[in-house]
Amino acid sequence: QKEVEQDPGPLSVPEGAIVSLNCTYSNSAFQYFMWYRQYSRKGPELLMYTYSSGNKEDGRFTAQVDKSSKYISLFIRDSQPSDSATYLCAILDSWGKLQFGAGTQVVVTP
Amino acid sequence: ETGVTQSPTHLIKTRGQQVTLRCSSQSGHNTVSWYQQALGQGPQFIFQYYREEENGRGNFPPRFSGLQFPNYSSELNVNALELDDSALYLCASSRASYNEQFFGPGTRLTVL
Repeated sequence: QKEVEQDPGPLSVPEGAIVSLNCTYSNSAFQYFMWYRQYSRKGPELLMYTYSSGNKEDGRFTAQVDKSSKYISLFIRDSQPSDSATYLCAILDSWGKLQFGAGTQVVVTP
Repeated sequence: ETGVTQSPTHLIKTRGQQVTLRCSSQSGHNTVSWYQQALGQGPQFIFQYYREEENGRGNFPPRFSGLQFPNYSSELNVNALELDDSALYLCASSRASYNEQFFGPGTRLTVL
């Protein structure tokens, strides 16, 4: 079993809709959670960085961590065609190593 | 502030050859981590360097090796290339081992 599980999609939504992305993880000791956005053939770009449980908001993006369920989420409000990309959840383990999900491909149609 | 840079952008090698990939870390960052990303997969951790010392290694064979230099730039060397080594190789830098990591654009390696 992988440490981080993520549905690969693709997830297709109309412009303006809310995009909801989720990951589950197996190790309850994890404390640092991240979301990266990756455009085709580019490096991942850090979107959100969250410590422990709770919510964090940055513009149209909201990250949630539920440590009791080992579940992390990313919501994108008022989605735009430029949000079309692959979204990767990642967990920073106690050795400073990022463990990634497989990535969810998101397509926002005009 | 200059971000993480990697060279070359693309590389084509044949099986059995050796390759060296390079990474310059972001200003103020002393930790560099390398990841391999196969098509359609999330990045997989190869190893991390902190102040010129290897600081953790993933499940990769010894033919994957690295270096970090006093200016915190880094190299990834792969010997005896195999077809399965074809992937996007990503370098990420951070202020310390346990901080958020920022990625470069990657080097796409094709092994024929």
